[in-house]
Amino acid sequence: GQQVMQIPQYQHVQEGEDFTTYCNSSTTLSNIQWYKQRPGGHPVFLIQLVKSGEVKKQKRLTFQFGEAKKNSSLHITATQTTDVGTYFCAATSSNDYKLSFGAGTTVTVRA
Amino acid sequence: AAGVIQSPRHLIKEKRETATLKCYPIPRHDTVYWYQQGPGQDPQFLISFYEKMQSDKGSIPDRFSAQQFSDYHSELNMSSLELGDSALYFCASSLNTGELFFGEGSRLTVL
Repeated sequence: GQQVMQIPQYQHVQEGEDFTTYCNSSTTLSNIQWYKQRPGGHPVFLIQLVKSGEVKKQKRLTFQFGEAKKNSSLHITATQTTDVGTYFCAATSSNDYKLSFGAGTTVTVRA
Repeated sequence: AAGVIQSPRHLIKEKRETATLKCYPIPRHDTVYWYQQGPGQDPQFLISFYEKMQSDKGSIPDRFSAQQFSDYHSELNMSSLELGDSALYFCASSLNTGELFFGEGSRLTVL
């Protein structure tokens, strides 16, 4: 089955700094979704990317889908304490519809 | 707005017992998913239903079964429980394989 690799597993960030988490697949993806899960909470949908090379922004968050539709990134600028949590990418391949999650990037912020 | 409702929120069982988790998806959503999330792990896809028919199967043990009923609610049945089954079980629903809306989760503890 499709495997979605996500790096880094942990990201410890100084408040105000930027960081990026990456999601990679060996197969072409139909689409990619990003979720955020706060400690003790449930995954909450952030965005879905469908088109090759697509870039979407949500305030301080920038999401990209690679030209080959095999990778994606989430870039957060000026990190705030409210950004704490685990960010998951999740994707469906061109062959099936089940949504597979990456291992997640757990973000902690030091003030 | 209505969200995905899961019950029970917490469940404690002994080894070899059975457990049933219930999920009420968002009205008019056509797909229901079950995920298992161990401590510090990413959500692992178990099974999904599209319009009450099983649509996809992931890493669901043979001891587990699930179904979706005519009123669209779904149940995950787990038998011969093992210590390793202790986890957070999420149900999610979606419309047309778009973004997933997750419930709050059911935390199963097997003693």
